[in-house]
Amino acid sequence: QSVLTQPPSASGTPGQRVTISCSGSSSNIASNYVYWYQQLPGTAPKLLIYRDNQRPSGVPDRFSDSRSGTSASLAISGLRSEDEADYYCAAWDDSLSGRVFGGGTKLTVL
Amino acid sequence: EVQLLESGGGLVQPGGSLRLSCAASGFTFSSYALSWVRQAPGKGLEWVSAISGSGGSTFYADSVKGRFAISRDNSKNTLYLQMNSLRAEDTALYYCAKGDATIAGAGIDYWGQGTLVTVSS
Repeated sequence: QSVLTQPPSASGTPGQRVTISCSGSSSNIASNYVYWYQQLPGTAPKLLIYRDNQRPSGVPDRFSDSRSGTSASLAISGLRSEDEADYYCAAWDDSLSGRVFGGGTKLTVL
Repeated sequence: EVQLLESGGGLVQPGGSLRLSCAASGFTFSSYALSWVRQAPGKGLEWVSAISGSGGSTFYADSVKGRFAISRDNSKNTLYLQMNSLRAEDTALYYCAKGDATIAGAGIDYWGQGTLVTVSS
């Protein structure tokens, strides 16, 4: 059981906006930055969002995140077929003194 | 360009040991924390351990505490993970990952391609 809770799956049609939630606690999401990663099939994870809605160069602004209290959400607008992947949230946990990941959400583009 | 190249994975019997290495390039090695993150076949990501840029601060997941040891050689731009008393549940693809700051708790911004560890008799 992961410390951060994500829905196991999400789906949408091309052009739609989808959101993926990440639920945590006061020791992780509420007090530390949340990071989001995209993992395409058979590849290593790639950083999507870091430190409160910052995007690395090359990541389109279709990807954004928000945080409220002990929860965070990743939003993907203008959904495209190449967005089909697994998405993970992560944060440092002060109580565990370690980094924690969500269980991952498999996004399907219908 | 940041590059992280893991090596040292393989097949090992339960109770055995293995040392993973990660050769890094493309950034000022000693200025950034590094982590090991693993992914069991068909499963999600699990953080294993992290070390600060200087090597003076280390953290471990409870699942590996007392069995694994993370270290780094800043003169060789190389990260290590010594794994002892290996168990079947340690079977996974092990990723080397770069932090975005020097403290061990830094977030991860780059990942290697991983090295596979299989624990089986």
